[in-house]
Amino acid sequence: NAGVTQTPKFQVLKTGQSMTLQCAQDMNHEYMSWYRQDPGMGLRLIHYSVGAGITDQGEVPNGYNVSRSTTEDFPLRLLSAAPSQTSVYFCASSVSGTATSLNYGYTFGSGTRLTVV
Amino acid sequence: TQLLEQSPQFLSIQEGENLTVYCNSSSVFSSLQWYRQEPGEGPVLLVTVVTGGEVKKLKRLTFQFGDARKDSSLHITAAQPGDTGLYLCAGEGGMRFGAGTRLTVKP
Repeated sequence: NAGVTQTPKFQVLKTGQSMTLQCAQDMNHEYMSWYRQDPGMGLRLIHYSVGAGITDQGEVPNGYNVSRSTTEDFPLRLLSAAPSQTSVYFCASSVSGTATSLNYGYTFGSGTRLTVV
Repeated sequence: TQLLEQSPQFLSIQEGENLTVYCNSSSVFSSLQWYRQEPGEGPVLLVTVVTGGEVKKLKRLTFQFGDARKDSSLHITAAQPGDTGLYLCAGEGGMRFGAGTRLTVKP
């Protein structure tokens, strides 16, 4: 099993450009989420999804869109990139969105390092 | 907002030493998770603690959940260079993460 696959690994964008970070999992997990990781701030939740067709906002959703048309894929769209969005982005999944499932762990991808200039 | 404060922020020790890192909050959590993250990779789950006062052991790592379920600690015995990494605690089923303790174990 590949687990959670994120592409691209690295990306440089100019201010105002848009792009989509891809995330795919092959574990048939219902729950998927996106985080950003900044120095000294830990991981902050951007958006999450408890199943196909269902998404919700996390702690820092502004400037990002998501959709969940299939169980496997959960892309993150940057609408108009800003330097403040320079970060490392992680996608994660869990068996389901129930408290029990989430308490017992996420599988993370290896991240996308995004630089906005 | 339920914040998770981790201390120390950085820790550099020699191989063979023992260490403890902490995760504290002013709020009660139903559970806490500990993750380890290596450079260029995503976090990997080490353990989940769910019961106040609970102690879990994973080889040389001992995790404890405070009685009031507001804090947790991770103790490593006889640290090895392979323990080097960023240790993160998370609450609310992974909805909240601390900023982490960056551990370096020198050979």
